[in-house]
Amino acid sequence: AQSVTQPDIHITVSEGASLELRCNYSYGATPYLFWYVQSPGQGLQLLLKYFSGDTLVQGIKGFEAEFKRSQSSFNLRKPSVHWSDAAEYFCAVMNSGGYQKVTFGTGTKLQVIP
Amino acid sequence: GAVVSQHPSRVICKSGTSVKIECRSLDFQATTMFWYRQFPKKSLMLMATSNEGSKATYEQGVEKDKFLINHASLTLSTLTVTSAHPEDSSFYICSGARTSGSGNEQFFGPGTRLTVL
Repeated sequence: AQSVTQPDIHITVSEGASLELRCNYSYGATPYLFWYVQSPGQGLQLLLKYFSGDTLVQGIKGFEAEFKRSQSSFNLRKPSVHWSDAAEYFCAVMNSGGYQKVTFGTGTKLQVIP
Repeated sequence: GAVVSQHPSRVICKSGTSVKIECRSLDFQATTMFWYRQFPKKSLMLMATSNEGSKATYEQGVEKDKFLINHASLTLSTLTVTSAHPEDSSFYICSGARTSGSGNEQFFGPGTRLTVL
């Protein structure tokens, strides 16, 4: 069964500092990987996705993520965090077969301090 | 493109009543739609997968008689919470799946906040 682990429940960074959110997945084949952001009381917004090809993917809002097969990781990064980035971030894995089942990590809450 | 809407965005109901939540793919056809439930400060848990014109597939532990799912068309799926109780209060999110040249992707609705009094 596929699974996703986000080891950091809560992260606090200063505005302007760099950010890395960790994500590890478990899946038998090459998965489809996603990062979503959720503001309080809101739905999910897709930041970026990896299906195949270049392992470094660029997303919206200046985010990027790198797929590392050897480490089963898909960490999210941003070089300079803005106060508006404060939100909950979810890593997700979808099976690359026909069922399209998406499994979410438990989320990392990002707090940005001035 | 690939917008999914949900209606209502927020609903409050009395215990014992039924509530219907609609999920629409506005600019694409979603052969498959998914329903998720999110508890406060928790992740999203897949409840069921619905395919247009067929019965929904429920995840283990989800009561199919309590959470009725209908996927009558390629752009509409509904979730009906029957005989709702306070423990059903939650944030319900749907998604529609679309296959693109680069693979499959789900597009999420904005969610529906259900409060059962």
